[in-house]
Amino acid sequence: ETGVTQTPRHLVMGMTNKKSLKCEQHLGHNAMYWYKQSAKKPLELMFVYNFKEQTENNSVPSRFSPECPNSSHLFLHLHTLQPEDSALYLCASSTQTGALNTEAFFGQGTRLTVV
Amino acid sequence: AQTVTQSQPEMSVQEAETVTLSCTYDTSESDYYLFWYKQPPSRQMILVIRQEAYKQQNATENRFSVNFQKAAKSFSLKISDSQLGDAAMYFCAYRSPQGGSEKLVFGKGTKLTVNP
Repeated sequence: ETGVTQTPRHLVMGMTNKKSLKCEQHLGHNAMYWYKQSAKKPLELMFVYNFKEQTENNSVPSRFSPECPNSSHLFLHLHTLQPEDSALYLCASSTQTGALNTEAFFGQGTRLTVV
Repeated sequence: AQTVTQSQPEMSVQEAETVTLSCTYDTSESDYYLFWYKQPPSRQMILVIRQEAYKQQNATENRFSVNFQKAAKSFSLKISDSQLGDAAMYFCAYRSPQGGSEKLVFGKGTKLTVNP
């Protein structure tokens, strides 16, 4: 049990499809994050939510649309993606933002392939 | 902007031996946190160890320890008595103290192989 659960684990979608990634945490955290992990590149922070409010959008294209209905759930809605968007998408959560010693807990990721 | 560099894409070590993974970073800030994360084939990122920049004492967690050289902006990870389960990708990460900034800046990672 990781505490942070992501579904699905694997997703293959066409460029015209619309799909959603889901992240759920049962750790009582109030901050949640989406990261993108591409081959041979550092993990890139995409979005940050604190108490359901988006506090950071790291210049992510609009074809990625996050949603945070409550502090336990985070979604990433995908539409008209490009093949270069294929990557591992990691969700993370932490106790609060702005605290230096906050530890981020990660899910196991969704391996996305855009065809 | 901060950057994190891991100059060793791959490393290997014999079981029970010691290995050191290197990490350097660039920042103009004086206070920050540094982390080492492990990502096994299961893909989940797991925190291995963290270091507060204002603490001179190197952090240790069982077989894992760091050599933090603030002036040199170096943060290496030493794994002692390596075990087969230590095989994974290891990522060095930097966290800024700026309020509201949750950006963990990661290096590209080092793939560690443990040979039996």
